[in-house]
Amino acid sequence: TQLLEQSPQFLSIQEGENLTVYCNSSSVFSSLQWYRQEPGEGPVLLVTVVTGGEVKKLKRLTFQFGDARKDSSLHITAAQPGDTGLYLCAGARNNNDMRFGAGTRLTVKP
Amino acid sequence: ETGVTQTPRHLVMGMTNKKSLKCEQHLGHNAMYWYKQSAKKPLELMFVYSLEERVENNSVPSRFSPECPNSSHLFLHLHTLQPEDSALYLCASSQFRDSNSPLHFGNGTRLTVT
Repeated sequence: TQLLEQSPQFLSIQEGENLTVYCNSSSVFSSLQWYRQEPGEGPVLLVTVVTGGEVKKLKRLTFQFGDARKDSSLHITAAQPGDTGLYLCAGARNNNDMRFGAGTRLTVKP
Repeated sequence: ETGVTQTPRHLVMGMTNKKSLKCEQHLGHNAMYWYKQSAKKPLELMFVYSLEERVENNSVPSRFSPECPNSSHLFLHLHTLQPEDSALYLCASSQFRDSNSPLHFGNGTRLTVT
């Protein structure tokens, strides 16, 4: 059983559609980070959320941290082909214990 | 240029070979990490070094041997690997003891063990 469950595992949509991906756990995290990884590259940080219920926006991406700090969601509005990639969530339980989910692989078709 | 550089980008080795992966960070961070990324599995933390001291070793087989000569360089020495060790090996750096400090990853070494 993985500490962080991400869903869906795969998502293929058309350009212009909206989507939401989820990151769920039974553990409480001091912070949660979302990364995007493109083929042939390492993961790149998108956002860090710290406070329960926090909502952060990054252009067309909206990130929410659950009130209990156990889960998070990422919503993309009007997806574009450039959004294609592997989206990873990572939860921090203490200063150096960062655990990753298996990721959601998103494909946005033109 | 990325702040974290890994070499080589690709490596094919036989089970009896000895090879080393190299990582260098130019971000002034005090912690460096090795992660293993396999298909459909979460990133697996292998080793953590803080201030050149190993602070975590997640039950990694002894055929993987890390070395951190200074805060900017990290190596992973490989010896008598198995085919199931084929994966993307990612190096990362951060500011240790800052739970909000993000990980900065290199682009990885794609390892194939034949």
